Amino acid sequence: DTGVSQNPRHKITKRGQNVTFRCDPISEHNRLYWYRQTLGQGPEFLTYFQNEAQLEKSRLLSDRFSAERPKGSFSTLEIQRTEQGDSAMYLCASSLDGGSNQPQHFGDGTRLSIL
Amino acid sequence: AQSVTQLDSHVSVSEGTPVLLRCNYSSSYSPSLFWYVQHPNKGLQLLLKYTSAATLVKGINGFEAEFKKSETSFHLTKPSAHMSDAAEYFCVVSVEGTDKLIFGTGTRLQVFP
Repeated sequence: DTGVSQNPRHKITKRGQNVTFRCDPISEHNRLYWYRQTLGQGPEFLTYFQNEAQLEKSRLLSDRFSAERPKGSFSTLEIQRTEQGDSAMYLCASSLDGGSNQPQHFGDGTRLSIL
Repeated sequence: AQSVTQLDSHVSVSEGTPVLLRCNYSSSYSPSLFWYVQHPNKGLQLLLKYTSAATLVKGINGFEAEFKKSETSFHLTKPSAHMSDAAEYFCVVSVEGTDKLIFGTGTRLQVFP
């Protein structure tokens, strides 16, 4: 069990640049989730996928954010025209399937810092 | 709407003494509740989950939590703290009909020797 893998672990960029993060879920996990965690707060839900289908997006996910899971395996989260307020830890999680009996397994996150 | 409130932002204990981290929930239905732990610069690890089976739930590393519907509480306990327990702990509720998790604001546990 290799766990959920996220890359890069840290990203520092200038305001206005685009960034892309990658998440590799646990193999055979159908569900994949993205969360954002700002300093001193709990994670907040952004979006999730069932295989390649994006099932729900939070209102937190502005039009500058886009997430994909093209082949139902890894996922990418892109932020365009980054702003200071985008600085946060971006967490990815996966679960075998839906439902509260299936725990979500988290990666170590990508910490984004906007200069 | 579902929500959780963690009543303490910081808890400090001495090694070997009991741990109590408090969580109250709000839900219009029978909720699924979780406790996750996060060590510095790491992701979240599931400690335990409640999904309407036994009200006393045992988790990893000696932690357990009791679901009390009458008090709308789901407090996390451990009989004897270890230095390695120092971390951030999150009480979490799942949104009915979805897989979305709603996290509390977290409780930072410090363990002193």
